Amino acid sequence: GAGVSQSPSNKVTEKGKDVELRCDPISGHTALYWYRQRLGQGLEFLIYFQGNSAPDKSGLPSDRFSAERTGESVSTLTIQRTQQEDSAVYLCASSPRGVPTYEQYFGPGTRLTVT
Amino acid sequence: GENVEQHPSTLSVQEGDSAVIKCTYSDSASNYFPWYKQELGKRPQLIIDIRSNVGEKKDQRIAVTLNKTAKHFSLHITETQPEDSAVYFCAASSPTQGAQKLVFGQGTRLTINP
Repeated sequence: GAGVSQSPSNKVTEKGKDVELRCDPISGHTALYWYRQRLGQGLEFLIYFQGNSAPDKSGLPSDRFSAERTGESVSTLTIQRTQQEDSAVYLCASSPRGVPTYEQYFGPGTRLTVT
Repeated sequence: GENVEQHPSTLSVQEGDSAVIKCTYSDSASNYFPWYKQELGKRPQLIIDIRSNVGEKKDQRIAVTLNKTAKHFSLHITETQPEDSAVYFCAASSPTQGAQKLVFGQGTRLTINP
């Protein structure tokens, strides 16, 4: 079946512009996660959704970052007034249900470059 | 919150030799420890995982061990092959509000020399 998909695959934007990154999880997956991966670094947790609620937003780096999810479907990560330090690959993952199924399936990521 | 340390950051081994990557975690409540492999420009993929009620798990050439008392876990790859070259990430997690929030190590770049 189809895996997690993300769009766009690449995004180049000017400093100060807003961007929207989209994630389509595997159908039926209730949990959805966003991570950020800077060049040569590990994955940094940003936010997760259980259904369309976000119990944990602790990883969002600043109030310029926000995310929404429609039902148990698509999620959008929005970065307002982008800064150069926002340049990274943004990865989305989903899992069939939170507990006890643990495995997270990752999408291909969106590479964001802020110039 | 949870903190995961991973060592070494780079590892180079001869084809056919074994490779070991080690991670430590800080939160004693963590109960799930996956390992992901990420090839250049690709998404992370789960290669093996272990839960806190198990001390060791093996899948062909890959094994993971967990020491809950010491709060560390390790990935062992035997009979390494060139296709094992990648970046490997460990992670630790505890269930929270119906989901698993993974905290990742910084990664180990493994190079297999032919």
